[in-house]
Amino acid sequence: DSGVTQTPKHLITATGQRVTLRCSPRSGDLSVYWYQQSLDQGLQFLIQYYNGEERAKGNILERFSAQQFPDLHSELNLSSLELGDSALYFCASSVGGPRTETQYFGPGTRLLVL
Amino acid sequence: DQQVKQNSPSLSVQEGRISILNCDYTNSMFDYFLWYKKYPAEGPTFLISISSIKDKNEDGRFTVFLNKSAKHLSLHIVPSQPGDSAVYFCAASASGTYKYIFGTGTRLKVLA
Repeated sequence: DSGVTQTPKHLITATGQRVTLRCSPRSGDLSVYWYQQSLDQGLQFLIQYYNGEERAKGNILERFSAQQFPDLHSELNLSSLELGDSALYFCASSVGGPRTETQYFGPGTRLLVL
Repeated sequence: DQQVKQNSPSLSVQEGRISILNCDYTNSMFDYFLWYKKYPAEGPTFLISISSIKDKNEDGRFTVFLNKSAKHLSLHIVPSQPGDSAVYFCAASASGTYKYIFGTGTRLKVLA
């Protein structure tokens, strides 16, 4: 158990809909990262937050947005969903120091868009 | 543009033998590398890391080697155990970017 929690575990929705994925980082971690893993793909970095502020952005679509709240939990909002958005979405957390450091991953949310 | 490549999608090894998983990268700014292991229905778990100031890092049965001139790293597992069967991802990062670029993974199967 990494200490990172993600809800829900599974989500089935229809094209055009909007969903929110939630992540609670490990106790004491200030950084949260979001990744997307599509079938047979590696983990694609989407976005990182540090102590409530966006710190780094990857290949995140404009239809997707995220935020980190004062209690440090984070939400990833996916809107106008398309079939191709079906994937595993992972959240990871780290202490958030200035140097590159190990991330700890949650169990993921499996999203299926029908 | 795949900056981190794991060219072997799968690997089978006999129990007790050495498993060697390879990873190549293209960005010379990468200076920190990690290996993660992933079991089905779980998130990746951190295995071992190496900074670009080193060429080798060991942790028990796991050793990571870094060849900066070849932009290549490898993970050695000795001896391999059936419980090591999983997907292994390498990841790389450049200082100050806070971004981690992952490879597509290698599925290791250790045969009893």
